[in-house]
Amino acid sequence: GENVEQHPSTLSVQEGDSAVIKCTYSDSASNYFPWYKQELGKGPQLIIDIRSNVGEKKDQRIAVTLNKTAKHFSLHITETQPEDSAVYFCAASGGTSYGKLTFGQGTILTVHP
Amino acid sequence: KAGVTQTPRYLIKTRGQQVTLSCSPISGHRSVSWYQQTPGQGLQFLFEYFSETQRNKGNFPGRFSGRQFSNSRSEMNVSTLELGDSALYLCASGSGSGTGNTIYFGEGSWLTVV
Repeated sequence: GENVEQHPSTLSVQEGDSAVIKCTYSDSASNYFPWYKQELGKGPQLIIDIRSNVGEKKDQRIAVTLNKTAKHFSLHITETQPEDSAVYFCAASGGTSYGKLTFGQGTILTVHP
Repeated sequence: KAGVTQTPRYLIKTRGQQVTLSCSPISGHRSVSWYQQTPGQGLQFLFEYFSETQRNKGNFPGRFSGRQFSNSRSEMNVSTLELGDSALYLCASGSGSGTGNTIYFGEGSWLTVV
């Protein structure tokens, strides 16, 4: 089955700096790669996603890049703000997995004012 | 448009009891999946339903079961509760029938087994 590895497990940045979180996946059939933000006591919130026919996608301060050959994808957050502090999860799905997402272990992002 | 709604939000059960959690997906979504989230194991897939049929199943014991109704609402049941079942149970709904559908999560049901 699919396996997703996520790094780093914790990331601490100063407000205004950029943050990068990286994930690798194992199943070449995977074709959908969402990123979720989870705040304390809440469910995961979809912040951006990318499909395998696209190499990069951007939404304001957030961007995701995908390298299908190397089987890795990354989340980039620019001009970080304290409210960006949360746990971020990458995930992958595709092939016959339908609605099943395989998640990375999560990254605790702390943005210091 | 209302999001994914889960009930109850919090519950405490005793070992050996059973529990039923409910989920209402986003209107129009026919896929509902369930995940267990714990600090040690992270987010783990339980099962997925589409049009009342279980389409995918994770590696959980048979004590964990689910079903989906004709209106796409779903329930999951855990029988003979164990202390290790304490977790956040998340429901997610998906928009389409194929792969790579956008998936949205509810706020979860916090289960504590004592």
